[in-house]
Amino acid sequence: ETGVTQTPRHLVMGMTNKKSLKCEQHLGHNAMYWYKQSAKKPLELMFVYNFKEQTENNSVPSRFSPECPNSSHLFLHLHTLQPEDSALYLCASSQGDRGDTEAFFGQGTRLTVV
Amino acid sequence: GDSVTQMEGPVTLSEEAFLTINCTYTATGYPSLFWYVQYPGEGLQLLLKATKADDKGSNKGFEATYRKETTSFHLEKGSVQVSDSAVYFCALSEGFGNEKLTFGTGTRLTIIP
Repeated sequence: ETGVTQTPRHLVMGMTNKKSLKCEQHLGHNAMYWYKQSAKKPLELMFVYNFKEQTENNSVPSRFSPECPNSSHLFLHLHTLQPEDSALYLCASSQGDRGDTEAFFGQGTRLTVV
Repeated sequence: GDSVTQMEGPVTLSEEAFLTINCTYTATGYPSLFWYVQYPGEGLQLLLKATKADDKGSNKGFEATYRKETTSFHLEKGSVQVSDSAVYFCALSEGFGNEKLTFGTGTRLTIIP
């Protein structure tokens, strides 16, 4: 399988639940990202990992916890979320050493917090 | 900080019409500029890009020219098709060593047969 794969595609969770989103890339990239896509708002960059090291945290609440065990895998651990956290969460990867290279996106996980 | 402003949608056009989606940006340096497209139920795909002033990116009949003097990167297509219906995002990245993309809000395009 090639490209960026995200699982699950859809997730419904209660505010007291703990769940994790998974992202996997088979492109040999060194940088991986989490974005949040909400209706009528620009895509919000949440986290950036370069060579497994977190290089950016865009003031994301601690109820979102990223993990990057290796350059191919990225997780987003979720706990005690709020209804306003419902959104499409997109994972992306890129080569990581140039700003003009293409970022490849997964299909996203549609998260609903009830 | 960096920002991208693109025209509000939704945009509805008839097939074979001319398309323009405006995009302007604010950046501290000399960013690379991108247009991404998101088809229903899918993630974002790169449509085209330009890395320096006066560069023209093109793909699938779409074009955009990097205009430094007007800080713009407007997307154009001469004759749209129903299959072009999607959400289009303008984005920038600051360049070497800084990979993060800053996106506009997206413009939903619907093409009517």
